[in-house]
Amino acid sequence: DVKVTQSSRYLVKRTGEKVFLECVQDMDHENMFWYRQDPGLGLRLIYFSYDVKMKEKGDIPEGYSVSREKKERFSLILESASTNQTSMYLCASSSLTGDSPLHFGNGTRLTVT
Amino acid sequence: TQLLEQSPQFLSIQEGENLTVYCNSSSVFSSLQWYRQEPGEGPVLLVTVVTGGEVKKLKRLTFQFGDARKDSSLHITAAQPGDTGLYLCAGESGGYNKLIFGAGTRLAVHP
Repeated sequence: DVKVTQSSRYLVKRTGEKVFLECVQDMDHENMFWYRQDPGLGLRLIYFSYDVKMKEKGDIPEGYSVSREKKERFSLILESASTNQTSMYLCASSSLTGDSPLHFGNGTRLTVT
Repeated sequence: TQLLEQSPQFLSIQEGENLTVYCNSSSVFSSLQWYRQEPGEGPVLLVTVVTGGEVKKLKRLTFQFGDARKDSSLHITAAQPGDTGLYLCAGESGGYNKLIFGAGTRLAVHP
């Protein structure tokens, strides 16, 4: 069974802290994505990567960075956490084939106080 | 900017009722995907529609892609409590299977 694993289900951090969200997939997928999900706003793309060490900004990259040193791992970094980054963060992966579905992890609920 | 608008935002119905969820855009999409998300889990793909006018059935769920490939609908017949969840439509934007999502329809089916 395909699997996308996010390292933490819940995180509580203080304003100004540096936060790392980790995601690992076991499907040898080329594409990996970070979305945030907020009520009434749906899923919004933060960053995505189509290959190792390659990254592209999504729709809301401000305040975030990413790292992809290995194909299976995609990390989201909040350089200095702020309260408006309190959200559910979802990692996903897909193959390069057109119309391939996204496989999601179960999410990390981050609270910044 | 491509946008997908879903309606209704919330739906609360009794078991056995029928319902339709809509996903509309002013933009043309090469395909649309429908996902369902249950509490505490990530979204899971239900179906992909590719051809304008296409209809796909998944048991009691019927998905339709508009002729102009700008809109889609999801119809559930005789809803059951197990259908409860958040339904999301998504369209590819800019290659690499990069999806934009609608805000979702939260469905509650009561026994």
